[in-house]
Amino acid sequence: QQPVQSPQAVILREGEDAVINCSSSKALYSVHWYRQKHGEAPVFLMILLKGGEQKGHEKISASFNEKKQQSSLYLTASQLSYSGTYFCGTESGNQFYFGTGTSLTVIP
Amino acid sequence: DSGVTQTPKHLITATGQRVTLRCSPRSGDLSVYWYQQSLDQGLQFLIQYYNGEERAKGNILERFSAQQFPDLHSELNLSSLELGDSALYFCASSPTSGPFGEQYFGPGTRLTVT
Repeated sequence: QQPVQSPQAVILREGEDAVINCSSSKALYSVHWYRQKHGEAPVFLMILLKGGEQKGHEKISASFNEKKQQSSLYLTASQLSYSGTYFCGTESGNQFYFGTGTSLTVIP
Repeated sequence: DSGVTQTPKHLITATGQRVTLRCSPRSGDLSVYWYQQSLDQGLQFLIQYYNGEERAKGNILERFSAQQFPDLHSELNLSSLELGDSALYFCASSPTSGPFGEQYFGPGTRLTVT
C-alpha cells in the first residue's frame, strides 16, 4: 500500500536536473509531493488531482499518470536549497499513504 | 513557519504510561491530520478530523485516540505506551474541505518511551 519511490537516493551538482518517481499499486485520486529537510517538518510542494493538469512552477514540476498510478517530480537546474528528502503522498479510497522517500543531495 | 503549533516539543515517558499531544491548526483551517514518523515505518497517516468530526482513519492503534475541539485544536492521546511508540508525531492542517488537501505540518512532538 505504501507507494514506492525511486531512486532511493540521488546526489546532484548545482544546476543539474533530477526526476523522482512514485508508483502505487492502488488506484489514485490524488498525488501530493512534500520535501522534508533533516530535523524539520515536511513542507508541501504540490498536489495533482485525478483528471487534473501537470503542475509546477519554474523549476519544480510534476506529472500524474492515472492509468499507471504513477507520478514523477521534476527538478530542473537544482539549487543547494533543494536538498532534502522528497516524499510523495497518495490518496486512495479514504486513505493517505506517504511514499518510501527519496534523499536528494545537491552539492556545489 | 507553517502556522501550525504543536506542544510539547519533546516528551520522555515510561512504558505503560499515557500522554497527550496537542496541536493548533493554522488560522482558518478546519482539517487536522495526525502522522507518526519512525525510522522503520516512515511517515504514516493516523487520523483526520474536519471541523470536529472524524473524517478518515489510517493506521491508528486502538491504544491511540484523537479528538478535535470546538476551537479546532486537536489532541492525540497515546495510552499503554510501548517502546515501539517512540517516534516523531506530526500534526498538519489543511484549508480544504476535501479528505486530503494540501497539508501544512507543525514542527512535531518527539516522543521517547523508555
